[in-house]
Amino acid sequence: SQQGEEDPQALSIQEGENATMNCSYKTSINNLQWYRQNSGRGLVHLILIRSNEREKHSGRLRVTLDTSKKSSSLLITASRAADTASYFCATVFSGPSGGNNRLAFGKGNQVVVIP
Amino acid sequence: EAGVAQSPRYKIIEKRQSVAFWCNPISGHATLYWYQQILGQGPKLLIQFQNNGVVDDSQLPKDRFSAERLKGVDSTLKIQPAKLEDSAVYLCASSLLSGPYRAQYFGPGTRLTVL
Repeated sequence: SQQGEEDPQALSIQEGENATMNCSYKTSINNLQWYRQNSGRGLVHLILIRSNEREKHSGRLRVTLDTSKKSSSLLITASRAADTASYFCATVFSGPSGGNNRLAFGKGNQVVVIP
Repeated sequence: EAGVAQSPRYKIIEKRQSVAFWCNPISGHATLYWYQQILGQGPKLLIQFQNNGVVDDSQLPKDRFSAERLKGVDSTLKIQPAKLEDSAVYLCASSLLSGPYRAQYFGPGTRLTVL
């Protein structure tokens, strides 16, 4: 299975602290994406990192990718209460019918930021 | 820009009944996806359309699930007959193209409860 697996499953931090989540996957990927899901805005794309990239930044988000270890990490710096959500990594590979952009999601990390 | 629209937002049915979900993707998005998200898990792709053609339906339980996108815009997903294990949130997503580096934009989902 291509499904990513996040670690840790649940994280509770104080506002202003950094939050780090890890994701592992099993086979070669085209790229890896992180999504956030909360009751207010649903599932939202955060950042995409290609298989030939090692690190990427977007605002307070920093993503790393280690293809040799088949793992990725998402760092949220200076967390805010609004960052409270579930965070999913999703790997992208070509499906059996040749269709691209097929996402395989992990189980998700629940992050709670305490004001 | 209007997001992905889905209806209904909630549906409660008894097992063996039928149910249908509707999705209107972001204008101009050629690729449309249906996902099933069971509580505590990440979304799982059911079917992917490119315009009105099916690209990937390898994970769609075809004995009870069907989907169509007749005019390459709106789509419906049907379950007939429903089983208890179909209780989940059904998410529709769209992307501009089907390439692997495209972010997917998700709708709010339909929460289905099968009693």
